[in-house]
Amino acid sequence: DAMVIQNPRYQVTQFGKPVTLSCSQTLNHNVMYWYQQKSSQAPKLLFHYYDKDFNNEADTPDNFQSRRPNTSFCFLDIRSPGLGDAAMYLCATSVGGSTDTQYFGPGTRLTVL
Amino acid sequence: GQSLEQPSEVTAVEGAIVQINCTYQTSGFYGLSWYQQHDGGAPTFLSYNGLDGLEETGRFSSFLSRSDSYGYLLLQELQMKDSASYFCAANNAGNMLTFGGGTRLMVKP
Repeated sequence: DAMVIQNPRYQVTQFGKPVTLSCSQTLNHNVMYWYQQKSSQAPKLLFHYYDKDFNNEADTPDNFQSRRPNTSFCFLDIRSPGLGDAAMYLCATSVGGSTDTQYFGPGTRLTVL
Repeated sequence: GQSLEQPSEVTAVEGAIVQINCTYQTSGFYGLSWYQQHDGGAPTFLSYNGLDGLEETGRFSSFLSRSDSYGYLLLQELQMKDSASYFCAANNAGNMLTFGGGTRLMVKP
């Protein structure tokens, strides 16, 4: 089945230790998104790529970076995780039209010790 | 800025009907989406309204009034498995979604 896959599902890192989360898709969608979701809150958009065009949300901290080496894969790098970065990180994809459904992966739950 | 308001919690009994309201203030508005999220799970798409009126998909319906900047999600014949969080989200240019704070629905026997 075509889908959005995120690895790992659970990630534990230490304060200040860089971590990379990965997302892959078999939907061949043009747009990939990274969201941060903290407990009992709405998903908050961090970045999105339309093909290789990178778009950073204005309030995304510099500590967060992203890479999209090809259509299928997208990575979220957290350079120096702080305790406040502990959250669920959701990857999503869409075809690219303004009314298209976004398809979410299962998420990676990040714990920062 | 952009904001969507929805109730934080709703409780209903099995078999009942529940309506979750959403009001929005957003620029570049294309339409209103609804997503369901079970605890620990990913948001899954439920419904989209690009035009005013009612969209029906099985037990779920969604409504939009652009003139009132208002929409709702209607869930009929509630089942225990419907217990989840429900998010309204505004579709903006470039298919950006701005989410409301979410409504936690608890369905009781």
